[in-house]
Amino acid sequence: NAGVMQNPRHLVRRRGQEARLRCSPMKGHSHVYWYRQLPEEGLKFMVYLQKENIIDESGMPKERFSAEFPKEGPSILRIQQVVRGDSAAYFCASSPRGLADYEQYFGPGTRLTVT
Amino acid sequence: EDQVTQSPEALRLQEGESSSLNCSYTVSGLRGLFWYRQDPGKGPEFLFTLYSAGEEKEKERLKATLTKKESFLHITAPKPEDSATYLCAGGTDSWGKFQFGAGTQVVVTP
Repeated sequence: NAGVMQNPRHLVRRRGQEARLRCSPMKGHSHVYWYRQLPEEGLKFMVYLQKENIIDESGMPKERFSAEFPKEGPSILRIQQVVRGDSAAYFCASSPRGLADYEQYFGPGTRLTVT
Repeated sequence: EDQVTQSPEALRLQEGESSSLNCSYTVSGLRGLFWYRQDPGKGPEFLFTLYSAGEEKEKERLKATLTKKESFLHITAPKPEDSATYLCAGGTDSWGKFQFGAGTQVVVTP
């Protein structure tokens, strides 16, 4: 049973470009969470999605960031017009149940560098 | 405001030297307390879930315990391969928004 997959693993973008991060959850998981980890900081929740629905995006900046989880295909985190402060590791996690008492399984992350 | 605080920030141990990591939380309506291990350049790896005060779970040299205000991760007779950053997280709300601590970086030397 393959784990959570993320690609690309490393992404370099110049300021002003767009970054697209992809996440394929574990088989049978329909709940996807995105987290951001800045250097020397902990993981911060960004957004929670189920298939075709955004359930909670309270941790995601209102501008330039968007997320989707279509009926078919991976979940996508999109960052438009990237700035240096967007440089971080972005992790996707999936769970078979969207409940606070159920563990989430993380992917290897995408490390975004903005030059 | 919900908070999860881990201490110490870093811990250096000799192989075989047991120790404990602390995770204190001020989270209203905690539904679950989770421990993860994170190696450099990798995603967090799930270790344990604890649900209620007094609960304990073990896996190899690791044992996690939970009280009403904090959780401990005990590392017994650690080996160099136990070197990693250990993260704890509180699950709140009804649907699983995790609040993570900043982690404890553990280095075990031979």
